[in-house]
Amino acid sequence: ETGVTQTPRHLVMGMTNKKSLKCEQHLGHNAMYWYKQSAKKPLELMFVYNFKEQTENNSVPSRFSPECPNSSHLFLHLHTLQPEDSALYLCASSLGLAGAGGNTDTQYFGPGTRLTVL
Amino acid sequence: AQSVAQPEDQVNVAEGNPLTVKCTYSVSGNPYLFWYVQYPNRGLQFLLKYITGDNLVKGSYGFEAEFNKSQTSFHLKKPSALVSDSALYFCAVRDGDNFNKFYFGSGTKLNVKP
Repeated sequence: ETGVTQTPRHLVMGMTNKKSLKCEQHLGHNAMYWYKQSAKKPLELMFVYNFKEQTENNSVPSRFSPECPNSSHLFLHLHTLQPEDSALYLCASSLGLAGAGGNTDTQYFGPGTRLTVL
Repeated sequence: AQSVAQPEDQVNVAEGNPLTVKCTYSVSGNPYLFWYVQYPNRGLQFLLKYITGDNLVKGSYGFEAEFNKSQTSFHLKKPSALVSDSALYFCAVRDGDNFNKFYFGSGTKLNVKP
């Protein structure tokens, strides 16, 4: 266990549904991330939050809406998704962002949510 | 453009033999380089990182990686492979100019056969 949990582990949804992915970290970290992992493609960084503030949106379509109510929780709200959005969505956390030295920026990943959009 | 390349989709090695998983990168500024491993149905686990200093970095489970600035490479190595090392390995680089930017390779599947 890495100290980062994600729920649900599997999700099947239609294109008109609205659902949310949840990530929780028990590591006392301040930075949290959403990634998209598709088969045989590089991991794609989607969003970065540091101290609850969004510091990076990597040109992600608006049908993905992140929410970070506190440093321990991160949500990804989904609506009107497309079949090509089917992927493994990974959450990660780190003590901080790079530049602070040591292992501050080492990311700890959750097990992911396997999303299938029909 | 910033990028990470893992030229091999798959690496096969016999147990007990040395292994190398290749990674090259292109990033602005001084790179922060990482290796992660992913076992089936699990998230990525940190193996090791390079920021500065000695070009040979030692990490978890007996892995090490060699930073080569002139070749912009950061290959992962292990002197003697174990069957339990079989997994998906990802190289990653953090942009030295924008610490929010993190780039991963597409992954290399390592198969260690008994």
